[in-house]
Amino acid sequence: GAGVSQSPSNKVTEKGKDVELRCDPISGHTALYWYRQSLGQGLEFLIYFQGNSAPDKSGLPSDRFSAERTGGSVSTLTIQRTQQEDSAVYLCASSPPGLETQYFGPGTRLLVL
Amino acid sequence: EDQVTQSPEALRLQEGESSSLNCSYTVSGLRGLFWYRQDPGKGPEFLFTLYSAGEEKEKERLKATLTKKESFLHITAPKPEDSATYLCAVKWETSGSRLTFGEGTQLTVNP
Repeated sequence: GAGVSQSPSNKVTEKGKDVELRCDPISGHTALYWYRQSLGQGLEFLIYFQGNSAPDKSGLPSDRFSAERTGGSVSTLTIQRTQQEDSAVYLCASSPPGLETQYFGPGTRLLVL
Repeated sequence: EDQVTQSPEALRLQEGESSSLNCSYTVSGLRGLFWYRQDPGKGPEFLFTLYSAGEEKEKERLKATLTKKESFLHITAPKPEDSATYLCAVKWETSGSRLTFGEGTQLTVNP
């Protein structure tokens, strides 16, 4: 079946611009996660959505970062007023109900010039 | 601070030369330990989940084991296609659903 999909695959933007990254989880998966992978660093948790519960936003690095999940499916991660240090690969993952394993998408490579 | 440490950072093997990768973690209260494989330019691909000390999982040339403070990913008779970065991640009882990742071991298998 189809895996987690993310768009765009690559995004180049100028410092100060806003960007939106999209994630389509695996059908039927109720949990959705966003992580960030910077060059030479491990994956860093950003935010977690589970069903209709309030999201766990504890990993968002600043108030320039926000995310929403509409209809319990598609999620959008928004970065406002991008900075060069925001350059990274943004990864989305989803989990089926009752299981711990997270399945990752291919990521969006963001470059802020 | 909860930490996950992987070693070595990089490993070069000859085809057929078996070895092990290590993942150690601080703090008790493990809820699950996960191994992923990541190829350049791609997202992590799930390999194994381990939940309790003594547990073992196998898949082709890979075997993952878990003790109370570390996990090993054993690679038996590796092939060049096993070359990738192997990531270890931990979920703790107190950390909700987030995974805490190590920085990975970059494995290169030469023919």
